[in-house]
Amino acid sequence: DAKTTQPNSMESNEEEPVHLPCNHSTISGTDYIHWYRQLPSQGPEYVIHGLTSNVNNRMASLAIAEDRKSSTLILHRATLRDAAVYYCILGTDYNTDKLIFGTGTRLQVFP
Amino acid sequence: DTGVSQDPRHKITKRGQNVTFRCDPISEHNRLYWYRQTLGQGPEFLTYFQNEAQLEKSRLLSDRFSAERPKGSFSTLEIQRTEQGDSAMYLCASRLQGVSNNEQFFGPGTRLTVL
Repeated sequence: DAKTTQPNSMESNEEEPVHLPCNHSTISGTDYIHWYRQLPSQGPEYVIHGLTSNVNNRMASLAIAEDRKSSTLILHRATLRDAAVYYCILGTDYNTDKLIFGTGTRLQVFP
Repeated sequence: DTGVSQDPRHKITKRGQNVTFRCDPISEHNRLYWYRQTLGQGPEFLTYFQNEAQLEKSRLLSDRFSAERPKGSFSTLEIQRTEQGDSAMYLCASRLQGVSNNEQFFGPGTRLTVL
C-alpha cells in the first residue's frame, strides 16, 4: 500500500486559512487521494477526495501537485469546530474499501 | 449523527470474557466495515462485508475475532477470550457501493476496556 506522510501537528487561529500538507511520493497512477478528519470522541468523517485536478466542496479544497506526489487540504477559514485529526489516505482504486489511515495531523485552532 | 449507530458505546470486561458489539449501518448501504483504533493511532481496517458476504479480513483479525452480517443489515463483532491488548475503540462504517464519492460513514464507535 502506498504510504502518506503528514506533520504530526499544526496550529491555526480562528478564521485564518489552514494548509494541511500530505506527501505521497509512491502514489500510483490510479490512486485517489482521500481526506478524512476525526473530531474528538467521534468516528472519522469524509472531507474530500480527488485524483488529479484540484477539488472544492463546502468543507474544504484539495490542491494536488502536478506530479501528484503531494497534496494540500485547505480550510479557508478555520473555526474551533475544525480542531481534529486530519488523515490523508490513498485509495487503490475508485472504490476504496480498505482505508489505510496513518497517524494524521492534529490541528489545533485557537480563538 | 451520520446515521450509523453502534451499541454499546462503552464496554468494560475482564480478561478472558467474551464480548459482542453491534453496528447498525445506514439502511440502504450495502457495504459495512469494521476498524479498530488504539490511543494515538489512526483506525486500522479489520474486515468488510458486501451485504451478508464477508469479502476481506485483515491479518489483525485473529481467530478470537468473528464478524457477521447475517441478513445484510446490522453486523456484530465478537471477541472471544478477551486480552488486555484488545482494549481499543471499535469503529463501524458503511457506504453504498457505486456512489461517486466513495464516502464511508462512520459510527461513534464502541470503546472496549479489558481489565
